[in-house]
Amino acid sequence: EVQLVDSGGGLVQPGGSLGLSCAVSGFAFRTNWMSWVRQAPGKGLECVASIVPDGRDTYYVDSVKGRFTISRDNARNLLYLQMNNLRAEDTAVYYCATSEGGFWGQGSLVTVSS
Amino acid sequence: VVLTQSPLSLPVTLGQPVYISCRSSQSLVSSTGNTFLNWFHHRPGQSPRRLIYNVFNRDSGVPDKFSGSGSRTDFTLRIDRVEADDVGIYYCMQHSHWPHTFGQGTRVEIK
Repeated sequence: EVQLVDSGGGLVQPGGSLGLSCAVSGFAFRTNWMSWVRQAPGKGLECVASIVPDGRDTYYVDSVKGRFTISRDNARNLLYLQMNNLRAEDTAVYYCATSEGGFWGQGSLVTVSS
Repeated sequence: VVLTQSPLSLPVTLGQPVYISCRSSQSLVSSTGNTFLNWFHHRPGQSPRRLIYNVFNRDSGVPDKFSGSGSRTDFTLRIDRVEADDVGIYYCMQHSHWPHTFGQGTRVEIK
């Protein structure tokens, strides 16, 4: 059974940091592009970061460049998103997913508010 | 790449067909020759579910009433015989070019 289990969401103040994790099982994690996709309240889906299978290349949407870092541990089947200098507009449900969208985590709510 | 969906809201009668359009600001034919355009169904409180990948390929377990078509910049999702379980928001997504982008979403509801 394929499982992607997101964790690490919560409430953080503007300017603060938060790290998300995604534990993967049931498919060949190490051969898949992976992404973090978010949905802000009342908004649509937005892919904010992606990483190639071996982790050597990463891609970010302009709004998070320099603040978010995507990484992976293929030995432990884990995907990460480190979020720094958070802003109110980063408030969203964050999903880990395979980049082509075949498999998704359940989502973690990140709320940036004072 | 900007994906523009239409319509954005679609009230439908049970049993009727549904057509959702997705237009891209540039060709979605990738450097490999594949066209990476997918369709998703998203219900509130749930994770998105992929229905169609690479334009017209149906995912495992997806009923054959869902079909995708199109090429280059113009794509369509068709839902035959809409049922109550089909309500929600439908998104197209491209991963031919970075950044991967989604359309704005089309809300399907029953009249």
